[in-house]
Amino acid sequence: ETGVTQTPRHLVMGMTNKKSLKCEQHLGHNAMYWYKQSAKKPLELMFVYNFKEQTENNSVPSRFSPECPNSSHLFLHLHTLQPEDSALYLCASSPLGTRETQYFGPGTRLLVL
Amino acid sequence: AQKITQTQPGMFVQEKEAVTLDCTYDTSDQSYGLFWYKQPSSGEMIFLIYQGSYDEQNATEGRYSLNFQKARKSANLVISASQLGDSAMYFCAMREGGETSGSRLTFGEGTQLTVNP
Repeated sequence: ETGVTQTPRHLVMGMTNKKSLKCEQHLGHNAMYWYKQSAKKPLELMFVYNFKEQTENNSVPSRFSPECPNSSHLFLHLHTLQPEDSALYLCASSPLGTRETQYFGPGTRLLVL
Repeated sequence: AQKITQTQPGMFVQEKEAVTLDCTYDTSDQSYGLFWYKQPSSGEMIFLIYQGSYDEQNATEGRYSLNFQKARKSANLVISASQLGDSAMYFCAMREGGETSGSRLTFGEGTQLTVNP
């Protein structure tokens, strides 16, 4: 049973829609992450949050807007996406520290039409 | 330059045999961590094994072991006694970053492992 949950698991949206992805972790971790996994490409880190503060934005377009209201919840707000944004979006959490493993949620499969 | 290189896009192994998945990395940090994850077709990333750069012994977790050769910058995953359920995509990843920040993971492109009955 995973300690990191993501909703929805699947999402189809038009380019003019606004939607949000939700991630929740029940592991007591202090760091949370958004990754993007496109077909035939390695996972790409998008955002990092530590103690609710964003510490890294990996040159992500502004049509992706993260929100971290507390250490257990992480959102990714989507608006005016492009078809090339279709991908699997994975959330992860970890304690702080170099030895600590990141634990992933099941992902949201996003299709932008 | 790529930080994590997995040179095997696909690997095949017979059930009950051992298989080695290759991973080489590039970093100038002295302190770093290496991870292997398994991703079945359902999509979730499952943590398998971790090796710290200062760990003197190779990491082992059940049927998984990590062949860590620091001088060669390689961190190959060995799966012993393969099972049909081991068929999945396998990713090698490296963590760089300090103790006080959530540190980034850099992933390789993955190796698709197929276990044949």
